[in-house]
Amino acid sequence: DGGITQSPKYLFRKEGQNVTLSCEQNLNHDAMYWYRQDPGQGLRLIYYSQIVNDFQKGDIAEGYSVSREKKESFPLTVTSAQKNPTAFYLCASSSGTHTGELFFGEGSRLTVL
Amino acid sequence: AQSVAQPEDQVNVAEGNPLTVKCTYSVSGNPYLFWYVQYPNRGLQFLLKYITGDNLVKGSYGFEAEFNKSQTSFHLKKPSALVSDSALYFCAVRDTGAGSYQLTFGKGTKLSVIP
Repeated sequence: DGGITQSPKYLFRKEGQNVTLSCEQNLNHDAMYWYRQDPGQGLRLIYYSQIVNDFQKGDIAEGYSVSREKKESFPLTVTSAQKNPTAFYLCASSSGTHTGELFFGEGSRLTVL
Repeated sequence: AQSVAQPEDQVNVAEGNPLTVKCTYSVSGNPYLFWYVQYPNRGLQFLLKYITGDNLVKGSYGFEAEFNKSQTSFHLKKPSALVSDSALYFCAVRDTGAGSYQLTFGKGTKLSVIP
């Protein structure tokens, strides 16, 4: 079945550690996105990529990094520079056209101890 | 810049009654509009979208939405609510006048259907 796989679903991190969240899609989509969700704040865009080897900062990119070496994969690294990393992270992909809806993974919940 | 507003944080409706979840938008060009639903600790699921054409759009699980250009609104509706419709609903917009494919989401409306 086609879809988006995020891992891990739950992750605990100590302060000062970097952590990488995985996102893989087999929908043959060109565009991929990372959103952060906090209660009452909706979804905020961290980074997005419209094509392999290219990505752009979203609204809250500080303290995060990404790579897009393969069409299927768009990992997100939460660095120690991110001051409040505890959140629910959602990866999505789309066909890359203006009319295409986003398809979401099941999310990764990161908790910093 | 594109933006979306969902004026109600929470909507309560009795099972069997019609439901409406409100959404208004602001864009520089023409809007592409989307509705998503999220169940607890899950990803978002696509419900429906408006691209062009008929202002009334039908989607999954019996939901529909009406595009109103003069009021810049895209309210989500369902004729008869089910308890299983209880979830968090997000409206989103993409601006055809913008250069990117970014989708901007509202803050979400929690729908509670009371048995």
